[in-house]
Amino acid sequence: NAGVTQTPKFRVLKTGQSMTLLCAQDMNHEYMYWYRQDPGMGLRLIHYSVGEGTTAKGEVPDGYNVSRLKKQNFLLGLESAAPSQTSVYFCASSTAQGNRYEQYFGPGTRLTVT
Amino acid sequence: AQKVTQAQTEISVVEKEDVTLDCVYETRDTTYYLFWYKQPPSGELVFLIRRNSFDEQNEISGRYSWNFQKSTSSFNFTITASQVVDSAVYFCALSEVNYGGATNKLIFGTGTLLAVQP
Repeated sequence: NAGVTQTPKFRVLKTGQSMTLLCAQDMNHEYMYWYRQDPGMGLRLIHYSVGEGTTAKGEVPDGYNVSRLKKQNFLLGLESAAPSQTSVYFCASSTAQGNRYEQYFGPGTRLTVT
Repeated sequence: AQKVTQAQTEISVVEKEDVTLDCVYETRDTTYYLFWYKQPPSGELVFLIRRNSFDEQNEISGRYSWNFQKSTSSFNFTITASQVVDSAVYFCALSEVNYGGATNKLIFGTGTLLAVQP
């Protein structure tokens, strides 16, 4: 049981390049989230998904796209990276049943855009 | 709008001292959840506690204790006899409760960096 995993752990991009961050969970959770963490700002929600095939915008969605084609995976895409997207990205998941309000976090992806 | 405020940006204590991390929240909801997460230097987020808005009992878990006061919208976290391994960033977070289409979105505070000196 790996919990929530994120790929890659580190990445350096040049301005204008694109990339996809992969989040995978093996807990059969319905809900999945992408956050970014910046110094002094805490974690802010980028996009989230309440189920396979559905996504919604969070607090800071601009410049990002997401897809949830499979229940266990949640992809975060940057079509044209900008230096302002330099951040640590965390994926999280939670169940819609029972203990539904606890989110389980992945280890994070550190992204630098030069 | 929902908001979580952690006014203490950094706290430094000497080992074995007690330390309290403050958290003040704002919400119009009558039902909500509050959380504390720990982020050690390695970077992962570790869940510490969840408290729902109907349960104002204080909770103690080993050296950790939490004081939830609805009257002052505060959910403070105390570490007793701090240790070097407690050095981390601690986040307080608020989750709204939406029935039917619930999203469990978390609103995080900006975090408090706790440094415990040996």
